[in-house]
Amino acid sequence: NAGVMQNPRHLVRRRGQEARLRCSPMKGHSHVYWYRQLPEEGLKFMVYLQKENIIDESGMPKERFSAEFPKEGPSILRIQQVVRGDSAAYFCASVLGLLYNEQFFGPGTRLTVL
Amino acid sequence: AQTVTQSQPEMSVQEAETVTLSCTYDTSENNYYLFWYKQPPSRQMILVIRQEAYKQQNATENRFSVNFQKAAKSFSLKISDSQLGDTAMYFCAFMKLAYNTDKLIFGTGTRLQVFP
Repeated sequence: NAGVMQNPRHLVRRRGQEARLRCSPMKGHSHVYWYRQLPEEGLKFMVYLQKENIIDESGMPKERFSAEFPKEGPSILRIQQVVRGDSAAYFCASVLGLLYNEQFFGPGTRLTVL
Repeated sequence: AQTVTQSQPEMSVQEAETVTLSCTYDTSENNYYLFWYKQPPSRQMILVIRQEAYKQQNATENRFSVNFQKAAKSFSLKISDSQLGDTAMYFCAFMKLAYNTDKLIFGTGTRLQVFP
């Protein structure tokens, strides 16, 4: 799972700014999941993407949050007009594709909103 | 909807001893996977062990084993010969078996402290 890269590892934003989190999946993986971990809690599913397609966004907040996974380049989780409640660790996990495959997690991005 | 419950917020064990972490889940699905993940202070999520619901035999990975009771919807993790490096948060997780890999549903975690 060392192949899943996330950057930045730490991100500090002031209230009202935008946060952009990047996830590069393991080589050959075309599916990406984003999870959020609030302090002292477990990971909560946010969104599931294939390249150029959102498969399941049932865990995404209705406003300010968006995600994409373009044909080329990393997956991006974008949070507009951040608030203090957005402070959390954001993890992405990549999967090879169809049927069951182990989800390989990245090291996470810790977002702090001042 | 599926839910995963870990009723032990914190556990401690002495080095070389055995400890068991509890997990229960609720689902109407018949085919699914269960996992235990370890999250050390580095926050990296590490897969410890997984169990396919259709398999009756309990999974084992070196010092880690599970007690999977499908009817009771229980999935406990036993760590034998505990080591200081086992100190971490442990999360139980559920995944529905689907055509496309489905999302993981996590419990709230158990913080395990291994003492020398």
